[in-house]
This record gives sequence, structure tokens and C-alpha cells, in this order.
Amino acid sequence: EAQVTQNPRYLITVTGKKLTVTCSQNMNHEYMSWYRQDPGLGLRQIYYSMNVEVTDKGDVPEGYKVSRKEKRNFPLILESPSPNQTSLYFCASSSLGWKGPYNEQFFGPGTRLTVL
Amino acid sequence: DAKTTQPTSMDCAEGRAANLPCNHSTISGNEYVYWYRQIHSQGPQYIIHGLKNNETNEMASLIITEDRKSSTLILPHATLRDTAVYYCIVRVLSSNDYKLSFGAGTTVTVRA
Repeated sequence: EAQVTQNPRYLITVTGKKLTVTCSQNMNHEYMSWYRQDPGLGLRQIYYSMNVEVTDKGDVPEGYKVSRKEKRNFPLILESPSPNQTSLYFCASSSLGWKGPYNEQFFGPGTRLTVL
Repeated sequence: DAKTTQPTSMDCAEGRAANLPCNHSTISGNEYVYWYRQIHSQGPQYIIHGLKNNETNEMASLIITEDRKSSTLILPHATLRDTAVYYCIVRVLSSNDYKLSFGAGTTVTVRA
């Protein structure tokens, strides 16, 4: 089954304790992206990657890091989480190339993060 | 990318067609109209997209006006499971950035 998986689904942590949210897709997609969703602010893009070893900032990258060492994985790293990073996080993936922007983006189930 | 305007919310009766409007009066010629939905904090789900012609798939139909300034998503026979927030998104063709800019969307409640 084609899917995007995220782990963990729920996480409660404390300020300053480094954490990683994993994202993996099994569709051989080139493009992967992280969004955060907050009430009243909609979904905002954090980082994206067009392919292995190619990443770039989205609209709200501060406080986050990403890496893309393998095509299927795109982890989101919070080196020193703060309470304003409490949010619902979504990973998404899509193919590129001739299918380009025609293609739908597949979203993961979400990770609800609480930073105390 | 062009901005979209959608009603905040709408109700619909189960089994009836749900017609969701979207205004995108500043859309440019190379921008597509996409629809996604999000069921209660799950990941958004792609529904349909189109450029200028009407489109239909197993989930919905998309009607785009001739001047492309507005569109309507039609769920032909709404079920309770169609209760969700529906997002109308306009994005440019051949962009190097595949970011989807989600607005507030329309909260659709399907009632039995």
C-alpha cells in the first residue's frame, strides 16, 4: 500500500530536549516536505526536499533541521524544542519530473507534538 | 500563487450533492486549481485538480467557470464520512516549489 508514515504519532517532551520525528514514504517520490498546522494559521511549510541531499527552507524553518540522506526518508529534527513548537506536524511526498505539479501530494497521518 | 476565497462552513444532507464554491479571481493562465480535504486532524487528502476543463474522478467533480475566476467542487452523494475541511488551492504550473498553500478552507458537515 502506498503510504507516508510518521513516527511518533504523539510526543510530549520538555524544552531543550532534542527530538527527531521520522518520515518515510514507499512510493519512490523525489519530493518530500514538512508542514506544521496550528489553529487559525492553517498549514505552513517548514522545509522541503526535491531529492536526496537537496533541501530548502519553507515559510517557517526557524528552530528546525532536516536531512535527506535516502530517498525514502526525511526526518525532522528539533535540536532544542521550545513551547512555540507545540503543533501538529505533517510530512508529505510527491513525484516530480514529467508528472510535475500535476501530481497529488500524499500526506502522512500527522505527529502531535507538545513541548512543555 | 493566486489567493482563494471559500465560505467558512456549510452543511449538507447525507445522500445529497454538496457544492463547494471557491473564488480565485486573480488566477493566472498557468495556475491549476487543486482541492484537498482534511478529516479531523488527519493528513490532508488530494481530491481533484483542473486547469480550465471540468474534471471528474471517483471522488468528486470540479467545475471551473469559463473565465477561471471561480470553481465548484461537487461531491455527488455526500456521506457522513465526507465531513471534513475542504481546501481550494491555486498553484502555478512548472514551479520548482511544490509547496501547497492551505487557507482556512470550508468546514463541511454532512448531516444524517
